[in-house]
Amino acid sequence: GQSLEQPSEVTAVEGAIVQINCTYQTSGFYGLSWYQQHDGGAPTFLSYNALDGLEETGRFSSFLSRSDSYGYLLLQELQMKDSASYFCAVVYGGATNKLIFGTGTLLAVQP
Amino acid sequence: DAGVIQSPRHEVTEMGQEVTLRCKPISGHDYLFWYRQTMMRGLELLIYFNNNVPIDDSGMPEDRFSAKMPNASFSTLKIQPSEPRDSAVYFCASSLEEHQETQYFGPGTRLLVL
Repeated sequence: GQSLEQPSEVTAVEGAIVQINCTYQTSGFYGLSWYQQHDGGAPTFLSYNALDGLEETGRFSSFLSRSDSYGYLLLQELQMKDSASYFCAVVYGGATNKLIFGTGTLLAVQP
Repeated sequence: DAGVIQSPRHEVTEMGQEVTLRCKPISGHDYLFWYRQTMMRGLELLIYFNNNVPIDDSGMPEDRFSAKMPNASFSTLKIQPSEPRDSAVYFCASSLEEHQETQYFGPGTRLLVL
């Protein structure tokens, strides 16, 4: 079967660091993507990990441990505009190009 | 380059009516996806196409739902007849075969069935 688990909500203050975890159980795993969705908007791609380790993109970093079926998104120097929902998504191998999205984590950044 | 285009952006209809949602993917993208998003069920993949051919429609909830992609630049998702439980945001997304991790989403169609 396929399942991804994320916390439903996270709250943090401006300037802080927050980590959003994602655990997955799925066959055919190829990599883990992260998407951001502001209220009323569309999901937008943030980051991708196909190999174990940390990928850094500005204030955002993403980590993957394939042996633990676990990944996280790290947001540093939080800004109010980072308030949004964050989704992890499993990328499947082969020629499917299909993503399976987690349930999303609502991040609230407070002043 | 324009992103994924969806129309209409908002649709309000009455139960039993036919609803047609439209999508224009990014030019050159090989894959097109239709998703439905609700508070209860999150972001669900309904169906996806590769080079205009439907690959996996296992997420289509019922026979009332159908999707077509007559050419590389146009796809439709049709609901007939519509029901109140179909109320949701419907997203279309496209991607390149060599970058399956990155899907580009359209702005969505907010559907309300009364």
